[in-house]
Formats: sequence, C-alpha cells, structure tokens
Amino acid sequence: EDQVTQSPEALRLQEGESSSLNCSYTVSGLRGLFWYRQDPGKGPEFLFTLYSAGEEKEKERLKATLTKKESFLHITAPKPEDSATYLCAVQASSDRTGRRALTFGSGTRLQVQP
Amino acid sequence: DADVTQTPRNRITKTGKRIMLECSQTKGHDRMYWYRQDPGLGLRLIYYSFDVKDINKGEISDGYSVSRQAQAKFSLSLESAIPNQTALYFCATSNAGGNQPQHFGDGTRLSIL
Repeated sequence: EDQVTQSPEALRLQEGESSSLNCSYTVSGLRGLFWYRQDPGKGPEFLFTLYSAGEEKEKERLKATLTKKESFLHITAPKPEDSATYLCAVQASSDRTGRRALTFGSGTRLQVQP
Repeated sequence: DADVTQTPRNRITKTGKRIMLECSQTKGHDRMYWYRQDPGLGLRLIYYSFDVKDINKGEISDGYSVSRQAQAKFSLSLESAIPNQTALYFCATSNAGGNQPQHFGDGTRLSIL
C-alpha cells in the first residue's frame, strides 16, 4: 500500500527564516511526486511535479528536491504570504486498478510571521 | 472565472437526506475526480472518471455514488447522509496521460447533523 508521511505537522517561522518541509513516501514504483499549496477555504494549488531521484524544481522562494525515499520543499527567506498548508502526493507507476491514482499526505501547516 | 467550479460551497443537512454535490470545469480535461478531506487524514479519493463512459471507485466509495453527465460535469451523491460524512469535498480535473497534475476546485464544506 502506498504511503505518504509529511513532517512537521505545523511549522512557525519568522519572516526571512529559511526552513524545509519533509515528505517521506513508500510506493510501488514512483511515477511522479507532486507538491501542492492549500490556502484556507481554497482547493489545493499545483506547485511542482518531480519524476526521479536527484531532480529539483524551483519557483520563487520554493525549491523541491527528490530522493528515492523522500522529498523536501525548501523555503528560502519566506514571507507572510507563503503561509499555507503544503501537501505532498505520489503517483505509483502501477496500482491495483492500473489507473495510477494519487496518494496524499496530510500536509504541513506553515505560518510565517512578520 | 474559476476553471473548476463546485456547488454548493457550503451545505448543512440532516442524517438520512440525499445530497448532490456538483462540479463543472472549463479546462477541457477528460479526467475528473472526487476527494474528501478530513483533518489529519489528508485527501482521500472517492470516485474518478477518465471519460464520460468510465467511472471507477476510489479508496472510500462506500455510501457515495457519482454521475458523469458530460465531459465538463461530474456530480457526487450521498444517497442517505450520515454524520461521519461531514467533511470538505473537492473535485479535481486533469489531462489524460501519465504524470499530469490535478487541478482542484475550492471545495464544498458539508455538515451532516
């Protein structure tokens, strides 16, 4: 069974204080790992897809990296507007149905204080 | 305008009632999904549809049914609502093909008393 564990559950940072969020996964052959941002009262917003170990993607203050067992979302010099819940999801190369649904972690709630 | 629209945004109802949540999209995607989100449990897949004639059960389909009325419309029904179906419900869409990201609506907050 595919599993995704995100840590920490919650993180409070001061503006400008860089940190990393972790997504550990167990999957029967990784087809893709996805990062999403979710604001209160909104649906998840797609950020990145990572396909293979060693891959990195960047967007503004965010950088996502991938190893064979985990992914990190690095946040450099965060601003208050980066406050949100960050979700990680994996897609297996094959599942019981052959349809490759996503398995989500429960997220990390990030709060950046001015 | 939102690409993935869910209605209603909020709903309070009583145990035993039949409820329908609707999702429409203007993204032109073939694939549509219904998830529920509960605190501490993340998003869990209820049903998904890869085209109008293709409906598949997800991880937690018991107590739910769906209808794909058109490429752009996918509705979720609770035939006889129960309190543990109180949750946030999200519709998502994606293009066909591997590794395509899913795009989500803003959700329906459903409370069953």
